[in-house]
Amino acid sequence: DVKVTQSSRYLVKRTGEKVFLECVQDMDHENMFWYRQDPGLGLRLIYFSYDVKMKEKGDIPEGYSVSREKKERFSLILESASTNQTSMYLCASSSGSGGKETQYFGPGTRLLVL
Amino acid sequence: AQTVTQSQPEMSVQEAETVTLSCTYDTSESNYYLFWYKQPPSRQMILVIRQEAYKQQNATENRFSVNFQKAAKSFSLKISDSQLGDTAMYFCAFRPRFGNEKLTFGTGTRLTIIP
Repeated sequence: DVKVTQSSRYLVKRTGEKVFLECVQDMDHENMFWYRQDPGLGLRLIYFSYDVKMKEKGDIPEGYSVSREKKERFSLILESASTNQTSMYLCASSSGSGGKETQYFGPGTRLLVL
Repeated sequence: AQTVTQSQPEMSVQEAETVTLSCTYDTSESNYYLFWYKQPPSRQMILVIRQEAYKQQNATENRFSVNFQKAAKSFSLKISDSQLGDTAMYFCAFRPRFGNEKLTFGTGTRLTIIP
């Protein structure tokens, strides 16, 4: 089974802090994704990566950056956390082989910015 | 750009009954995939069922089935003999058949199964 893990389930940070969210997958997947999930808004894509050191902006990249130095690890960085970044953050991965392949999700990190 | 709409923010049904969750989408693509994901309370999001748009036959997975109406751009999920473990957020998602594997999600339906 595919396993996607995220470094923290819950995180509390102060406004202005730099925040790192880590995601690791163990299935040698090419693609990795970061979403934020908010009530009534569903999942919105922040960034995705289709290869090491490659990244593309999603629908809501403002205020975020990402890093993918190794294939299995994809980090989401909040350069200066703000209260409107309080949310649930979900990481996902997919094989990159196309077809009907789906995404596999991590358990999520619930971030509270005070 | 694609959009996915789930018009039922919340639903509830008695255990053992059948429930249908609706999803509509808008796209100019002709080849694509549609997915239903389930997110149980405080648990990981998992795939429930998927449909390939070029297949006319509706997908089924045990108690879960879909009603895919391509012309109407409708993709509803039917849960038969509902169980307490079906209580979850359900998300409908869309992906073009070709290109990268980005998903476009709906806003979700919170389903509660009542004992």
